[in-house]
Amino acid sequence: QQQVKQSPQSLIVQKGGISIINCAYENTAFDYFPWYQQFPGKGPALLIAIRPDVSEKKEGRFTISFNKSAKQFSLHIMDSQPGDSATYFCAASMVPSNTGNQFYFGTGTSLTVIP
Amino acid sequence: DTGVSQNPRHKITKRGQNVTFRCDPISEHNRLYWYRQTLGQGPEFLTYFQNEAQLEKSRLLSDRFSAERPKGSFSTLEIQRTEQGDSAMYLCARGYSTTGELFFGEGSRLTVL
Repeated sequence: QQQVKQSPQSLIVQKGGISIINCAYENTAFDYFPWYQQFPGKGPALLIAIRPDVSEKKEGRFTISFNKSAKQFSLHIMDSQPGDSATYFCAASMVPSNTGNQFYFGTGTSLTVIP
Repeated sequence: DTGVSQNPRHKITKRGQNVTFRCDPISEHNRLYWYRQTLGQGPEFLTYFQNEAQLEKSRLLSDRFSAERPKGSFSTLEIQRTEQGDSAMYLCARGYSTTGELFFGEGSRLTVL
């Protein structure tokens, strides 16, 4: 069972546009929601993360919107640039944790930003 | 730089051979994780260490897989009698149990012919 569902699978955006990636989760015990950015041949890099006590977190052009009642969170990339072209993964976990298998990743969204 | 170094970055091997991957995290993280990532999928948990103790293993980690972390520093992941289904990116990560932050290395890509 997929603990975190991510959509869309792929996304094409014009340079300067807004990219929006959505994730939904079921387990209300999750309390940490990170987004990872991955370029081909590289490991995932932590981009931005949010905890459920806030509804929005912004870092530069990247914003996470969090809707606790709907059990959904999304990544918004403002003024998208060709350099943002990558695969983005959402994840959810329970923190603190005594288990190693605390991170549940979405299936990824391949973003292409057209110049 | 995520403070996690993995070697080799790419390994091509024939089915049935053994392979070993190494992970070197910066010293202050006592939690070390191994994940596997196949094409088009997110990372999947394999195992983790708290210092030198291997505390949890996924069902994905068959008997052909073994991981060690001697002295709580670097870690190795060995795959014996490789199969084509083992072809994947093997990711090592360091992390904090209290904050949830997880930092991945560049990964070691395994191709089994």
